[in-house]
Amino acid sequence: EPEVTQTPSHQVTQMGQEVILRCVPISNHLYFYWYRQILGQKVEFLVSFYNNEISEKSEIFDDQFSVERPDGSNFTLKIRSTKLEDSAMYFCATAKGAGQGYNEQFFGPGTRLTVL
Amino acid sequence: AQSVTQPDIHITVSEGASLELRCNYSYGATPYLFWYVQSPGQGLQLLLKYFSGDTLVQGIKGFEAEFKRSQSSFNLRKPSVHWSDAAEYFCAVGPTVTGGFKTIFGAGTRLFVKA
Repeated sequence: EPEVTQTPSHQVTQMGQEVILRCVPISNHLYFYWYRQILGQKVEFLVSFYNNEISEKSEIFDDQFSVERPDGSNFTLKIRSTKLEDSAMYFCATAKGAGQGYNEQFFGPGTRLTVL
Repeated sequence: AQSVTQPDIHITVSEGASLELRCNYSYGATPYLFWYVQSPGQGLQLLLKYFSGDTLVQGIKGFEAEFKRSQSSFNLRKPSVHWSDAAEYFCAVGPTVTGGFKTIFGAGTRLFVKA
């Protein structure tokens, strides 16, 4: 069964450094998402992406964050200058479409980001 | 706006006992509802989902959930809990076109299983 994959599984970085988290969507999916889960807390929506542009973003997704699909396969989340509070598990999710029956989101295994 | 409430932060049940985890949602129309399970340090595993039709849905690992529109609830149940069921359980709603494309998660219920 097709799966969403994410790399790396764990990323450790110094505060102020840039990080890029990568996701490989399921091949025929067109909608892409990033979610964040701070340790011990609930999963929070960050951003949705369709047709090479952001369709929706949360207040968490500020100017330090960006997303892109650079090569038509990978879907990336970039944090330009990491802060301690960016430490979290980041989940990528993808969906086939937006209409009923097509909009179920499939989640990847997550990337644990630790900012020191 | 859509929202999901899981009233119980944690629940402890004895192995072999029955389990019910509560979930209430807020949404104007029929939502798409999900239950996920997460073991410590792991990703999200989908247990079951409800889109339409039969209000009692069966999932993996012997779990089931019942959608009750009148109570805006989607409670998760299991008749006999196993020690391996100890984990965090998240109820979620969405995505829907009118409510945005995102999935909204509840705060989670941590399940402890005692021998």
